[in-house]
Order: sequence, then structure tokens, then C-alpha cells
Amino acid sequence: DARVTQTPRHKVTEMGQEVTMRCQPILGHNTVFWYRQTMMQGLELLAYFRNRAPLDDSGMPKDRFSAEMPDATLATLKIQPSEPRDSAVYFCASGLPKQGTPYEQYFGPGTRLTVT
Amino acid sequence: AQSVAQPEDQVNVAEGNPLTVKCTYSVSGNPYLFWYVQYPNRGLQFLLKYITGDNLVKGSYGFEAEFNKSQTSFHLKKPSALVSDSALYFCAVRRDPNSGYALNFGKGTSLLVTP
Repeated sequence: DARVTQTPRHKVTEMGQEVTMRCQPILGHNTVFWYRQTMMQGLELLAYFRNRAPLDDSGMPKDRFSAEMPDATLATLKIQPSEPRDSAVYFCASGLPKQGTPYEQYFGPGTRLTVT
Repeated sequence: AQSVAQPEDQVNVAEGNPLTVKCTYSVSGNPYLFWYVQYPNRGLQFLLKYITGDNLVKGSYGFEAEFNKSQTSFHLKKPSALVSDSALYFCAVRRDPNSGYALNFGKGTSLLVTP
């Protein structure tokens, strides 16, 4: 049963610390998304990649967030320095476009981040 | 901008009764629409999608959705609700009509099915 995996599942850190979240997309999926979920804002798209190249990162605060795909099996989202307002659940999702048609995204279980 | 709206924060229904979770959309171009479900402490799971064709789309777990172009709606339905259907439901639309398939999600509707 292919799944998107995310680590860590929970992270508590102090303001100012660096946070790195990792995602392993489903093998063979070439598109990876990062979302943030909060009660106030709901689900927000932060960035997404296709074939490891960033297609859109307009949803990310550029001064503190960065997203990369070092290889096809790993996506990372980094926050440096972290702030209390970054507290949220961060989801990674992956998908595989087929002949240009909209495709479903498969979500990981999320990383619950708390910044104190 | 491509967007969807879910007018109800919560829907309550008794087990065995039909359920409807509402979604309206605002798009330019073809509306590519999706429904996802989120169970507590879990990621979102895909239920169904509308691209073109039949206005009634069938999906997972007995759910279906009706696309209505004149009303710009894409309501999620199920003929007989189960307690296990209690979850958070998200409607979504393709974000950019010109490229990519990232999604814009609605705020979500919490469905509570009571025994």
C-alpha cells in the first residue's frame, strides 16, 4: 500500500530555532505539494514541485521558509527562524499527472508543529 | 481567481439518512473540482473528481457529487449516512487554469453523523 510519509509527526520547538520537515512521496510520483493547515486559514498551498523543480512557491514567506527536493524520493520544508505564528499542521502530498488531466493528490499524515 | 466556497461549517445528520455537503465554485475556464475527506489526525483522502462528462460523479465509500453548471455547484452526497462518515470534508478546485494542477481548497465542512 503506497503512502506518502512525513517526518517528524510532531515537533515542538522554541521561537528562533530551525525546523526541518521531510516528506517521502509515493514512488513514481513526480509532483510534490506542501500545504499548511490552521484553524484560521484552513489549507494553504505553500509550494509545489514537478520533477524536482519548483513550479510555484508564492505561498511561502520567502524570508524564513525554503523548500527543496534533493532527490526524487525526498522533499524538505525548512523554517529558519521559526515563529509562534508558524504553528500549524504541515502536509505533504504527491501526485502523478496523466496525459495532462487533473489528478488526485495523495496526502501524508502531516507534521504538527508547535513553536513556543 | 479559482475558488470554492463551502457555506456550512457543520452538517449534522442521523445515521441512515441522506447527506449533502455543499460546495459552490467560481472559475474561469473549465472547472476541475475535487472532494477530499479528512479524518481526525490524518491527512486528506481523495473521494472523487469532476473533469468533464457526466454531471453525477461517483467516488469512494459510496459518495457521489453532482456538478451543476447553472448553479455553479458541486455538492457531495450520500444516500445513507454512516457514523463512520463523520469527518471534515473539503471541496477543491484547480488553482491555475493555465498550468499545473495545484488546488485551492475550501474552508471545510465538518460532518457529524449521529447514531
